[in-house]
Amino acid sequence: GQQVMQIPQYQHVQEGEDFTTYCNSSTTLSNIQWYKQRPGGHPVFLIQLVKSGEVKKQKRLTFQFGEAKKNSSLHITATQTTDVGTYFCAGYGSSGAGSYQLTFGKGTKLSVIP
Amino acid sequence: DTAVSQTPKYLVTQMGNDKSIKCEQNLGHDTMYWYKQDSKKFLKIMFSYNNKELIINETVPNRFSPKSPDKAHLNLHINSLELGDSAVYFCASSSQGSSGNTIYFGEGSWLTVV
Repeated sequence: GQQVMQIPQYQHVQEGEDFTTYCNSSTTLSNIQWYKQRPGGHPVFLIQLVKSGEVKKQKRLTFQFGEAKKNSSLHITATQTTDVGTYFCAGYGSSGAGSYQLTFGKGTKLSVIP
Repeated sequence: DTAVSQTPKYLVTQMGNDKSIKCEQNLGHDTMYWYKQDSKKFLKIMFSYNNKELIINETVPNRFSPKSPDKAHLNLHINSLELGDSAVYFCASSSQGSSGNTIYFGEGSWLTVV
């Protein structure tokens, strides 16, 4: 079945440093989604990427979808304490027999040291 | 108004008890889900359900059963609770579409089995 691997599992950065989390799928995806979960909160949708090679930006966050539509990354420039949380990628792809499913990566927990 | 609401938010119960978690969504979505998040923050899908079919993750024990009185509600019933059932349970919903389904999560129900 479809597998989505996400690395690193944990990342500690000094405030102001950059941060990147990577996501790789075992199969070609129709789209990839990113979610953020604050400590004690619930996952919240950030963005969806659909096209091969697509790049989208949200303020200091840059999202990329690979040319082969099997990998993605989220890059945060100059992290702030408000960026703390766990970032999940989720790949939407075929699970066989004409059905599709959304598979979450295991998440990257970001800690920002003030 | 909360889009996906679930109750209770916190639940502490003894081993062997039966408990239910209720979920309602007012987004008009046609698909609802239950996810389990363990202490390592891994998000595991337990069930997905729309008005046509129930898809069960084969790793979920049959002590867990979803019950849907209508398309806006998907409750989770758990029989004979075990210590390992302690986790955060998230209800979620989405709308089926060719571009993929963005997941809207409830705020979670923290279940502690003692």
